[in-house]
Amino acid sequence: DSGVTQTPKHLITATGQRVTLRCSPRSGDLSVYWYQQSLDQGLQFLIQYYNGEERAKGNILERFSAQQFPDLHSELNLSSLELGDSALYFCASGGGAAYEQYFGPGTRLTVT
Amino acid sequence: GENVEQHPSTLSVQEGDSAVIKCTYSDSASNYFPWYKQELGKRPQLIIDIRSNVGEKKDQRIAVTLNKTAKHFSLHITETQPEDSAVYFCAASPPSNYQLIWGAGTKLIIKP
Repeated sequence: DSGVTQTPKHLITATGQRVTLRCSPRSGDLSVYWYQQSLDQGLQFLIQYYNGEERAKGNILERFSAQQFPDLHSELNLSSLELGDSALYFCASGGGAAYEQYFGPGTRLTVT
Repeated sequence: GENVEQHPSTLSVQEGDSAVIKCTYSDSASNYFPWYKQELGKRPQLIIDIRSNVGEKKDQRIAVTLNKTAKHFSLHITETQPEDSAVYFCAASPPSNYQLIWGAGTKLIIKP
């Protein structure tokens, strides 16, 4: 157990809908990273937050947005969902000074 | 920006033999190099990492070596076992931010 929690574990929804994925980082970690992993693919970095502020953006679609709240949990919002958005979504957390990232168990999103 | 290439994409070895996975990076300023193991449907887990001031690090059957001059680092697994079957990802971290730049992954298959 990495100490990073993600909810829900599974999510099935229809095209065009909007969903919210939630992540709670390890105690003491200030950074949250979001990744998308499609079937048999690598880890695609989406976005990073550090202590409530957006720090870096990767290949995140305009239909996707995220935020980090004062209690450091983070939410990833996915809207106007398409079949191609079906994937595993991981969040990872890390400290500010260290580079290690610890992954949560992921949310499996299925868009039908 | 930093770019990480990982080879091979698939590696099949006999149980008990050694496995070596290699990554090259482009930014000579990168100073942190972790390796993650991801079993099917599970989260990536940090298994070993190395910083740029160290040339080699070992942890039981796994070791990582770093050649800063050639800008490559390798994961070595000795006496492979069935539970070593997984996808392995390397990454590099430039000092300018706290992101990880990921390799594409290597699927390691241990043949009985």
